[in-house]
Amino acid sequence: GQNIDQPTEMTATEGAIVQINCTYQTSGFNGLFWYQQHAGEAPTFLSYNVLDGLEEKGRFSSFLSRSKGYSYLLLKELQMKDSASYLCAVRDGDYKLSFGAGTTVTVRA
Amino acid sequence: IAGITQAPTSQILAAGRRMTLRCTQDMRHNAMYWYRQDLGLGLRLIHYSNTAGTTGKGEVPDGYSVSRANTDDFPLTLASAVPSQTSVYFCASSRTSGGYNEQFFGPGTRLTVL
Repeated sequence: GQNIDQPTEMTATEGAIVQINCTYQTSGFNGLFWYQQHAGEAPTFLSYNVLDGLEEKGRFSSFLSRSKGYSYLLLKELQMKDSASYLCAVRDGDYKLSFGAGTTVTVRA
Repeated sequence: IAGITQAPTSQILAAGRRMTLRCTQDMRHNAMYWYRQDLGLGLRLIHYSNTAGTTGKGEVPDGYSVSRANTDDFPLTLASAVPSQTSVYFCASSRTSGGYNEQFFGPGTRLTVL
């Protein structure tokens, strides 16, 4: 089975940086995904890591350490529109994903 | 159609009734998935299909069935709905080769069972 943990809530100020951590214990590993989900909407893909290290995509970066079962999503230069839930998901040897419960990020002016 | 669609958008259903949630994608993705999302529990996989003609059970399959007669459609059926099946249901699809094979999600169906 899969055990994926991430904080429930985080609050940050507009323009600041927030780091959302995700730890996992899984029976298999074939990549880690981050999704963004605004309230009342569907999740949308943000990033993918399968090798150790940092992947940067504009204001968003994602880091993976497979040996530690750890990832983080870094959101820089926060904007009000970044207020959303961020979902960490692990893919095992198949195509299926196991999701964490999600971290709700609130950006304040 | 662009991407992945679900119907209905929302539904209120009496306990004991049969209900089919529809999902259609036009991206020619091999794999399709059904999730339910409940507050505090995140997305949980109900059933999945890696290719047309095959299906598999996810984390919470009891009370649900699926079929995959073709590439595009992946309906989810509740044979006899119970109040614990009140949830938001998301259908998703993905490629199975090349690239990240990330999952694309439909807009969801909000189901209330009374």
